[in-house]
Amino acid sequence: SQTIHQWPATLVQPVGSPLSLECTVEGTSNPNLYWYRQAAGRGLQLLFYSIGIDQISSEVPQNLSASRPQDRQFILSSKKLLLSDSGFYLCAWSSPDRSYEQYFGPGTRLTVT
Amino acid sequence: AQSVAQPEDQVNVAEGNPLTVKCTYSVSGNPYLFWYVQYPNRGLQFLLKYITGDNLVKGSYGFEAEFNKSQTSFHLKKPSALVSDSALYFCAVRPLGQGGKLIFGQGTELSVKP
Repeated sequence: SQTIHQWPATLVQPVGSPLSLECTVEGTSNPNLYWYRQAAGRGLQLLFYSIGIDQISSEVPQNLSASRPQDRQFILSSKKLLLSDSGFYLCAWSSPDRSYEQYFGPGTRLTVT
Repeated sequence: AQSVAQPEDQVNVAEGNPLTVKCTYSVSGNPYLFWYVQYPNRGLQFLLKYITGDNLVKGSYGFEAEFNKSQTSFHLKKPSALVSDSALYFCAVRPLGQGGKLIFGQGTELSVKP
C-alpha cells in the first residue's frame, strides 16, 4: 500500500532563517506531488505541484521554492523565512491516471518567531 | 472565477441526529467533486468523490453526498451523527482540464455533542 511521510512534524524557526521540509511517498511510482499551506487551521492554498522530476509548477509567487530530486521525494525550501510563512504545510500525492484523488501526509507545523 | 463555497463556518449537531454540511461550486463544465475530513493537527483524509453517474455517492464512515447539477451543490450528509465525526470538513472540486489541481472550500467545523 502507499504511504506518505513528512518531516519534521513540528518546527520553530526564527525570521530570516532557511527552511527545508521533506515529503516522501512509498508504494507508488511517478506520482503527482503537491505542497499546500493551511493558515489558521482553515483554507488550503496550493503552493506547488509536480508531475515529474524537474517538472514543478508554482501557484503563488512567494519566497518559497520546491524541488523534486527523486521521483518520490518533494522538498519545500526557503532561503529566508518570514513571519507570514507560519502555518501547517501539507504534502499530497496522486497517481498520474487518477490525479484528481489526492492523499495527504500528516503535515508539518511551522512557527516562525 | 472558479470557486468553492462552504457557507457555514460551523455546524453543531446532537449525536444521533442527521447532519448536513453544505457545499456549492462555481466552475465551468462538469467538475469532479470531493469531500475531505481533517482531524486536529492531522492531514486531510479522503471521504468520497463524485465523477459521474448516480447523484448520490457513498463514502467512508457512513457519509454520503448528493450532487445537484442545477443547484451546483454537493452537500455532505450522514443519517446519524457520532461524536467522533467532529472534525473540519473540506469540499473540493477539480475543474476539467486542470490536471490534478483541486480548488478547496474554506472548511466547515462540525461539532457533534453527546
